[in-house]
Order: sequence, then C-alpha cells, then structure tokens
Amino acid sequence: EAGVVQSPRYKIIEKKQPVAFWCNPISGHNTLYWYLQNLGQGPELLIRYENEEAVDDSQLPKDRFSAERLKGVDSTLKIQPAELGDSAVYLCASSRFGQGGYEQYFGPGTRLTVT
Amino acid sequence: AQSVSQHNHHVILSEAASLELGCNYSYGGTVNLFWYVQYPGQHLQLLLKYFSGDPLVKGIKGFEAEFIKSKFSFNLRKPSVQWSDTAEYFCAGTTDSWGKLQFGAGTQVVVTP
Repeated sequence: EAGVVQSPRYKIIEKKQPVAFWCNPISGHNTLYWYLQNLGQGPELLIRYENEEAVDDSQLPKDRFSAERLKGVDSTLKIQPAELGDSAVYLCASSRFGQGGYEQYFGPGTRLTVT
Repeated sequence: AQSVSQHNHHVILSEAASLELGCNYSYGGTVNLFWYVQYPGQHLQLLLKYFSGDPLVKGIKGFEAEFIKSKFSFNLRKPSVQWSDTAEYFCAGTTDSWGKLQFGAGTQVVVTP
C-alpha cells in the first residue's frame, strides 16, 4: 500500500510570495489532515477534511492560508502571501473515515523556508 | 485546555542502556494516547497506541508504554536501546474518534555506539 505522498519536499521562497503544497492520501482514506510543525515542536492541526468538506478549520489562519480538497482525494494547502514566520514543516496525514482517533498515517512533509 | 507534555527535549544514552521518556496529558474522561517516532529523514510513524484495556501496551521494535490514569501519564520505555533508535519521539493524545490529535513537543533521542 502506497503511503501519503506530499510535494514538494522542500520549498524556498521570498516573503510575500505565494506557495502551495500538495498531498495525496492513502487510497480509500476519506479523512485528510494538514498539520504545521514548527522547529522544536510537535505538529499542530491546521485543518481536517472529511471527503471534500472541511469539518475543522478552526486553527487555520484564514487571512493568508487556504486549503481545498475538490474531489475528496488530493488536497492543496496554499499560503498567500508568505511571511517569515511561516517557515516550518507542513505535514499531511490521512485516516479511514471516523478512525483518525485511532490511527493516522503521515506523509514526509514539505519543509518551507521563507527568506 | 487539553494538552500533552513531554518531560525531556533531548536524551543522549549509550547502546544497551534503558530508555524511558515521560509523557503527561491533561484530558479528562476517555483518552486515546499514542507514541510516534520520526527517524532521521523519514516521516512520522506510529510506534504504539492505547485506547482501553491493558494499560501496558507493546509496540514495534521492542517499545512499550504504560498508561497510568492516576498520574495522567503514558511513559514510553525500551529496556535496551540500539543505535538505530536514534530518532525524535512524540507523544500525542485525543479524546475523539475523529482524531484531533494534540502532540507533545517531542524528545530527541541520540543513542551513541
């Protein structure tokens, strides 16, 4: 079974530029999560999707961050414009429907550096 | 607020030494607890999990964790570490089946030959 796929693995941009991250979850996993991991900290949930619906986006800074999962499979997380403080690792995870509290599978993450 | 905290940020030990990493949670009621591991250059992987039942949970690679409800703790242990156990270890918890996981800050473990 293929794991969660994320791209790009690394991204370096200048502040005020836009950036997008892509995630392909494990086949059959209806639930998709985006996490933010700052250096020296554990991941923090940004948004959770059930199929194409964002059911928990309370931690997503909506002034500059947006996400979509149009067909209930792949997802894209966007930042526009990026700020220096957005430098972090962005993780995607997936789980079977209603099973996220029991096991989530994580992708390798995208390491973003904003200069 | 609900949270998960890890006691140590960095641990250095020699091969064959015993390892114990502390984790405390502040949830009330039913809680699901996890230990994840991130080896250098790799993604987060589930090491073990606790939902209910036997409070002593065994995971992969010889790791185990003990859920002590009275102490709100879920400490990770391994009796004899190997160099390949060098990694970052994260404790996490949630109170719902939908998986709003809260992670501790992580503990970087370095095992020297």
